[in-house]
Amino acid sequence: AQTVTQSQPEMSVQEAETVTLSCTYDTSESDYYLFWYKQPPSRQMILVIRQEAYKQQNATENRFSVNFQKAAKSFSLKISDSQLGDAAMYFCAYRSAWPDHGGNQFYFGTGTSLTVIP
Amino acid sequence: NAGVTQTPKFRVLKTGQSMTLLCAQDMNHEYMYWYRQDPGMGLRLIHYSVGEGTTAKGEVPDGYNVSRLKKQNFLLGLESAAPSQTSVYFCASSLGTQSYEQYFGPGTRLTVT
Repeated sequence: AQTVTQSQPEMSVQEAETVTLSCTYDTSESDYYLFWYKQPPSRQMILVIRQEAYKQQNATENRFSVNFQKAAKSFSLKISDSQLGDAAMYFCAYRSAWPDHGGNQFYFGTGTSLTVIP
Repeated sequence: NAGVTQTPKFRVLKTGQSMTLLCAQDMNHEYMYWYRQDPGMGLRLIHYSVGEGTTAKGEVPDGYNVSRLKKQNFLLGLESAAPSQTSVYFCASSLGTQSYEQYFGPGTRLTVT
């Protein structure tokens, strides 16, 4: 099974500042998908951003962007101009492109709890 | 669209009791999943289904059973609850494989005493 590691259990950022959350993964495959999910105190899991491994360009969604380093197997999330509503648990997830290689499943990291300081 | 719904939202069981969690989705998704979330452990897959009438084991299937008799519903059963099954349970669905993301339900908080 693939392993997804989030080495920062907790992070904090000042409002309006930028923060980067780290994620690394272990895979022998070349084709896969990576996701960042946000879980606010309401518990609802929300997709933040996704990245296809075959794309060299880093994905961007408004204030959220990723730094995808395929060779290093690293997938960090950058939040710019942090807002109070960004406070949440953030999960990194991996999915193989091939159903026979676990592509039916998502593999999640243990999460990073982000606090935004006013 | 209601998306993914879960019933119930909270439940307290005594050790040895049984219960069924219901997940329903109205997006015509083929794939459905059951996870448990415990502090410091992220989301762990219990069982999943790639279509009506099919189920498969995930990472932590022991003590749980599932059924997918209708495409829109995915049931998670606990036959004899144990305190170790105290957790928050999430259901999710996905249109397909590849880059399709999962859509999650609101979760069910289960306490087994």
